[in-house]
Amino acid sequence: DQQVKQNSPSLSVQEGRISILNCDYTNSMFDYFLWYKKYPAEGPTFLISISSIKDKNEDGRFTVFLNKSAKHLSLHIVPSQPGDSAVYFCAASDGGGADGLTFGKGTHLIIQP
Amino acid sequence: NAGVTQTPKFRILKIGQSMTLQCAQDMNHNYMYWYRQDPGMGLKLIYYSVGAGITDKGEVPNGYNVSRSTTEDFPLRLELAAPSQTSVYFCASTLLEGEAFFGQGTRLTVV
Repeated sequence: DQQVKQNSPSLSVQEGRISILNCDYTNSMFDYFLWYKKYPAEGPTFLISISSIKDKNEDGRFTVFLNKSAKHLSLHIVPSQPGDSAVYFCAASDGGGADGLTFGKGTHLIIQP
Repeated sequence: NAGVTQTPKFRILKIGQSMTLQCAQDMNHNYMYWYRQDPGMGLKLIYYSVGAGITDKGEVPNGYNVSRSTTEDFPLRLELAAPSQTSVYFCASTLLEGEAFFGQGTRLTVV
């Protein structure tokens, strides 16, 4: 049973517009959420995170929103740039994350010129 | 600062062969992890370690072994390779809660 779900395998967005990537989770014990970006033939790289005590975290063009009651988080990228084309993974952890992260299947974001 | 280094980058194994995937980090992180990623899937945790001498199973440990004799190194051992172990393997490390740093991955094919 998937505890972290990314229901959109791919998303196509025009350059300059907003990209919104969604993630749902089922485990109420998750208290820390992260987004990773992955290019082909490379390892995932950390993008942005949010603790369950917050509902929003911003870093430049990237903002993550957390809705705990709905067990839903989203990543907003504004404005979208060609270099943002990659696979984005949502990940979650509980109790500090020492025993690893639980990942979603990823969403392939394609930025159209 | 190299971060997390994995070797080899690619490997083809025959069924029944064994090999060790190497992972080293130079950030003095206590926590290290091995994940595998199958096509179209997320990363799944194989084994993890919270410090030298301490290891524990993750979600998909069968067919693998690990050791952690130093803070820097966390090798993953495949004893009897099977086609189901064809995957991309990622090693990661972190200080504690927070971002995990990943290596570039090892693409393993078992034929």
